[in-house]
Amino acid sequence: AQSVAQPEDQVNVAEGNPLTVKCTYSVSGNPYLFWYVQYPNRGLQFLLKYITGDNLVKGSYGFEAEFNKSQTSFHLKKPSALVSDSALYFCAVRAPYSGGGADGLTFGKGTHLIIQP
Amino acid sequence: EAQVTQNPRYLITVTGKKLTVTCSQNMNHEYMSWYRQDPGLGLRQIYYSMNVEVTDKGDVPEGYKVSRKEKRNFPLILESPSPNQTSLYFCASCGQGLNTEAFFGQGTRLTVV
Repeated sequence: AQSVAQPEDQVNVAEGNPLTVKCTYSVSGNPYLFWYVQYPNRGLQFLLKYITGDNLVKGSYGFEAEFNKSQTSFHLKKPSALVSDSALYFCAVRAPYSGGGADGLTFGKGTHLIIQP
Repeated sequence: EAQVTQNPRYLITVTGKKLTVTCSQNMNHEYMSWYRQDPGLGLRQIYYSMNVEVTDKGDVPEGYKVSRKEKRNFPLILESPSPNQTSLYFCASCGQGLNTEAFFGQGTRLTVV
């Protein structure tokens, strides 16, 4: 069975500093990896995804994520944090053999990112 | 605009009173799902549907029903709600293909008293 771990419930970063939100996964075969952001009282919004190719993936709002197969990680990064980046972030994985389970996405428990002015 | 629409956004009800949360998508997606979000537990899938008249249980289906009579609609039904179903609910839709991302509705915050 596939799984996703987000080891930090909360990450605090000063505005202007680089940020990293960690994600590790477990799946058989090559994974499809996603990051979503949830702002207060809103649904989840897609940020970026890794399917194949370059290990560094760029997404919305200046975010990027680095896929590391040997470490089974897909950490979310941004060079310079903004207060408006404060939100709840979810990592998700889909196994390459998914097909019996709708969209087949398994989500982590989420990480609260707090950017301090 | 591509979107998933849920209604209502907020609902307070009493134990045992049947309710339905509607979900509609305008992207002609085959796959639709319902999730509940609870603090410390993340998102857990309740039910999913791969197409019209095809539905199956997710991780936490007890106490819920769904139907998929039309491709665009996927209502969530609570026949006899209980307080442990107080939660934030999300509907999502997704196209075919392993590389496609899911689109989420705005959420329905349900309180059962």
